[in-house]
Amino acid sequence: DVKVTQSSRYLVKRTGEKVFLECVQDMDHENMFWYRQDPGLGLRLIYFSYDVKMKEKGDIPEGYSVSREKKERFSLILESASTNQTSMYLCASSLALAGVQEQYFGPGTRLTVT
Amino acid sequence: SQKIEQNSEALNIQEGKTATLTCNYTNYSPAYLQWYRQDPGRGPVFLLLIRENEKEKRKERLKVTFDTTLKQSLFHITASQPADSATYLCALDGGSGNTGKLIFGQGTTLQVKP
Repeated sequence: DVKVTQSSRYLVKRTGEKVFLECVQDMDHENMFWYRQDPGLGLRLIYFSYDVKMKEKGDIPEGYSVSREKKERFSLILESASTNQTSMYLCASSLALAGVQEQYFGPGTRLTVT
Repeated sequence: SQKIEQNSEALNIQEGKTATLTCNYTNYSPAYLQWYRQDPGRGPVFLLLIRENEKEKRKERLKVTFDTTLKQSLFHITASQPADSATYLCALDGGSGNTGKLIFGQGTTLQVKP
C-alpha cells in the first residue's frame, strides 16, 4: 500500500515564525501536492510538484513556498506564519501515468498560528 | 470559472437505505471524475474513478454515474451502514494535461443512523 506520512499531526506556532511541514511518500510517485482544508472552503491546492526540483503554483500560493530535493519528499514552508494560515494541511501524491491517477493523502497536519 | 458543487447540507439516512450524493459542475468538461471518503481529522481516501466515456462504475456497495450532458455525477451507497458515515468529496481533473491536478468539491457529510 502507498504510504504518505506527514511530520506532525498537530503543530502550534507563533506569528512570524518560519514553519516547515514535511511530507514523505514511499511509492516512487512523481506527483506531489500540498493542500489546505478549511471549513466551508474545501480542499485548496497550494503548490504541486511533478518532478524533483520542479514546482508549480496552485490556487493559493501566497505566503507559502515549497521544496522538492528528493523524489519522495515534498516540503511546505511558511516563511512568516500568520494567523490566517491556521488550517489543516494535507499532502498527497500520485503517479504520473498517461491519463489520471488517484491521489493518496497523508493524515494531515493541523497547524495553529497564535 | 470552473465550479464544483456538492450539497453542503448533511445527508441523514437510516441504516439499510441507499444514500445518494450529488456532484454538479459548471464551466468545465472534465475527462474524469473521482470520489473520495474523508473521516474527521484524517486525509481523504480514494474510492472510485469514472471517465467521461463511462456512464456507470460499481465497486461492492458503491455506484457512481457520470452524466456529461447534465454535468453531474451521482454517488450511491446501497445497504448503508453506520460505518459509512463520513464526508464524501468529488474531484475533477484539473484539465492541465498529465499534471494530475484535481479540483475538489467541498464535500457532503453523510450520517447513517442505526
